Amino acid sequence: GAVVSQHPSRVICKSGTSVKIECRSLDFQATTMFWYRQFPKQSLMLMATSNEGSKATYEQGVEKDKFLINHASLTLSTLTVTSAHPEDSSFYICSAQRDSSYEQYFGPGTRLTVT
Amino acid sequence: DAKTTQPTSMDCAEGRAANLPCNHSTISGNEYVYWYRQIHSQGPQYIIHGLKNNETNEMASLIITEDRKSSTLILPHATLRDTAVYYCIVQANQAGTALIFGKGTTLSVSS
Repeated sequence: GAVVSQHPSRVICKSGTSVKIECRSLDFQATTMFWYRQFPKQSLMLMATSNEGSKATYEQGVEKDKFLINHASLTLSTLTVTSAHPEDSSFYICSAQRDSSYEQYFGPGTRLTVT
Repeated sequence: DAKTTQPTSMDCAEGRAANLPCNHSTISGNEYVYWYRQIHSQGPQYIIHGLKNNETNEMASLIITEDRKSSTLILPHATLRDTAVYYCIVQANQAGTALIFGKGTTLSVSS
């Protein structure tokens, strides 16, 4: 089966610092990856679509200057939360869309806590 | 907006079949029905998907009505580890299209 990894699995950072989250497709190529955010007791909310070699597309209400996305290769996308604040504390989940079939596979998620 | 309607919660006894319904009355001809589940604090796990024919794999069966306006996910012998939130999603299978999650059904399996 297709495997998507995320690193780190959980991170605690101080308010005002930046945090980078990596999403990797381990055994398939993914031109497109997606970033979601999930608050407690809520469903996944799509934040942005990440395309290899081009700028990400952000959903309405998501600040592109705060959530920097880089998709430098067909197997890696990164999400950087800049100047993090406590309200950014959430569960961040990526998914990778396999180029050959368009199926989406999800990473295990990253728990971000901003103190 | 999510294009599906699911019950908020369901209960099932361990060892019995769990039948999870989903309404998708506005589904388009090129849209598939996908089912994912999310166990607490984990990423969503793919279960099964289909276009119009019934599908079965090692995890579950998917029954899609002939008019494609509704479907049922069947877990034939539920276990405690099947306790999760189950999401029914309709989406065209094409490049660059994200899965949009609704609220899903919380399935509680008890012994």
